[in-house]
Amino acid sequence: AQSVTQLDSHVSVSEGTPVLLRCNYSSSYSPSLFWYVQHPNKGLQLLLKYTSAATLVKGINGFEAEFKKSETSFHLTKPSAHMSDAAEYFCVVSEGRSSGSARQLTFGSGTQLTVLP
Amino acid sequence: NAGVTQTPKFRILKIGQSMTLQCTQDMNHNYMYWYRQDPGMGLKLIYYSVGAGITDKGEVPNGYNVSRSTTEDFPLRLELAAPSQTSVYFCASRTGSGNTGELFFGEGSRLTVL
Repeated sequence: AQSVTQLDSHVSVSEGTPVLLRCNYSSSYSPSLFWYVQHPNKGLQLLLKYTSAATLVKGINGFEAEFKKSETSFHLTKPSAHMSDAAEYFCVVSEGRSSGSARQLTFGSGTQLTVLP
Repeated sequence: NAGVTQTPKFRILKIGQSMTLQCTQDMNHNYMYWYRQDPGMGLKLIYYSVGAGITDKGEVPNGYNVSRSTTEDFPLRLELAAPSQTSVYFCASRTGSGNTGELFFGEGSRLTVL
């Protein structure tokens, strides 16, 4: 079975300061991990994904995440927040099984990022 | 390239009414999903499909039905609408098998049941 926990439901940062959104996962198989962003009244957009290649993954808009198997974490970071980064962010895990993989996508409950001027 | 298209974007239903949320994708994806999103609850899987003619239940299927007659279309039917079905519904698609493909989402359908 798989699960994902986003450790903070809300994060506030000042514009120009670093962003850290935390995600821990549990998976019985080699997982793929994704971060999605959702702006108000919009659908979800892929920021980045990890699929067992490089452990440091770079995404769009300056975001990156590091897969740490020993810590079962996949935290999302950005060196300098911008006002346009204010949104909800979801961490998603997908187990690496050959069967049932269509169903094996689990979403975290989301982290609301507020960027203060 | 339209991606995943959902209609309608907004709808208000009365208790007991029925309706269908439409979802179409033009990426030739085999896998399609319906999720509902409630405030602070993340996304919950309602139904999914791995190809035309094949559907299966997700976490929260009660009160919903789906069909998949073509690769492109995956409509979600709400029978006898209840206030508990007030939510935002997202359709998504994904390529191929395995676990590495990302989901592509529609813009969402906001449903209110009064």
